[in-house]
Amino acid sequence: EVQLVESGGGLVKPGGSLRLSCAASGFTFSSYSMNWVRQAPGKGLEWVSYISSSSSYIYYADSVKGRFTISRDNAKNSLYLQMNSLRAEDTAVYYCAREESYGSGSYPGCWGQGTLVTVSS
Amino acid sequence: EIVLTQSPATLSLSPGEGATLSCRASQSVSSYLAWYQQKPGQAPRLLIYDASNRATGIPARFSGSGSGTDFTLTISSLEPEDFAVYYCQQRSNWPQTFGQGTKLEIK
Repeated sequence: EVQLVESGGGLVKPGGSLRLSCAASGFTFSSYSMNWVRQAPGKGLEWVSYISSSSSYIYYADSVKGRFTISRDNAKNSLYLQMNSLRAEDTAVYYCAREESYGSGSYPGCWGQGTLVTVSS
Repeated sequence: EIVLTQSPATLSLSPGEGATLSCRASQSVSSYLAWYQQKPGQAPRLLIYDASNRATGIPARFSGSGSGTDFTLTISSLEPEDFAVYYCQQRSNWPQTFGQGTKLEIK
């Protein structure tokens, strides 16, 4: 069974740092690109970052560029998001999502259950 | 950045009725558009990819159409479990973006 399990969320003060992890199981992690997508309380979905299977391609949303760093360890079947200089507006549930190839394109097709990050003093 | 605008924001219907949800892109995304369903407390679930193709295990009552800038998600006959929030997403350009969502609620 494919599983994605996020961890590392919690309460952090503005300006602080947090590292999220996503543990993958049930599939060959090294063959898939991955995403982080977040959802502020009561709000819609916002894509945060993408990393290709071999880490050759990395993209960020403008809202997090320069503050967040995505990485992965294929030997440990794990995805990470290092979040620095956190702001109140970063408060959200953070999902990791596996990129899957469908037809002509690829889309986040398998999602974890998310981990809540709260930025507050 | 491509902006996706979904309408209506909220749609109130009864089980058995048909639903039509719209997603409009600020510039062409070709057919690189997906639809997701999200229920309270759950992660999103991929319904439709490449504008008109159902993902694995998605019932036939869900269908997608459109290309370029105008897209539609149609649910032919609503089941109780279909009441949820629906998001469109484009994968044509970076950054990938989501629409703001349409809440489908029971009338």
